[in-house]
Amino acid sequence: DTGVSQNPRHKITKRGQNVTFRCDPISEHNRLYWYRQTLGQGPEFLTYFQNEAQLEKSRLLSDRFSAERPKGSFSTLEIQRTEQGDSAMYLCASSYREKYEQYFGPGTRLTVT
Amino acid sequence: AQKVTQAQTEISVVEKEDVTLDCVYETRDTTYYLFWYKQPPSGELVFLIRRNSFDEQNEISGRYSWNFQKSTSSFNFTITASQVVDSAVYFCALSEAGGNAGNMLTFGGGTRLMVKP
Repeated sequence: DTGVSQNPRHKITKRGQNVTFRCDPISEHNRLYWYRQTLGQGPEFLTYFQNEAQLEKSRLLSDRFSAERPKGSFSTLEIQRTEQGDSAMYLCASSYREKYEQYFGPGTRLTVT
Repeated sequence: AQKVTQAQTEISVVEKEDVTLDCVYETRDTTYYLFWYKQPPSGELVFLIRRNSFDEQNEISGRYSWNFQKSTSSFNFTITASQVVDSAVYFCALSEAGGNAGNMLTFGGGTRLMVKP
């Protein structure tokens, strides 16, 4: 069973550009989570999906951020009009059901110049 | 609101020493889950353990052991006979069973463990 995969692993973009990240969860995991981690901090929750439904969004997720999980499989996280403050590691995790442990992908490191 | 505090930001030990990483949590839920994750220099978070609030038994897995004490809201992690490969940032995390956030994890700030040869 392969783990959670994320692409790209690194993204450098100029301020104002749009970026999109992809996450492929472990197969048969119906829950998918996005977190953001800045240097020296623990990950912070952004949003989560149960199958294709986005059920919760953090206040950290401004209206420039949008996430989708079509057909309940992979998920994408898009950031529009990137700002330097968006520079961070974006982590995706999946879990088999609620209350189960979450398995994390390797993350996408975003640098906004 | 839930909160996790890892007061030790950095710990340095010499190989073969035992080391304990502290974790204190706050929650209003009676049902919750506690976790430890390891983040090695490669960056990927590795799941170590999950413990639910009804199970206060301590757990041992090889050189790792966990001490859960509800009375002090603590979930401490001990590495026995540390090795250089244990060098990493360790995160304690909490999820509440209730609410709408689908068992989102609230992480502590992490403890960087450096094991010197």
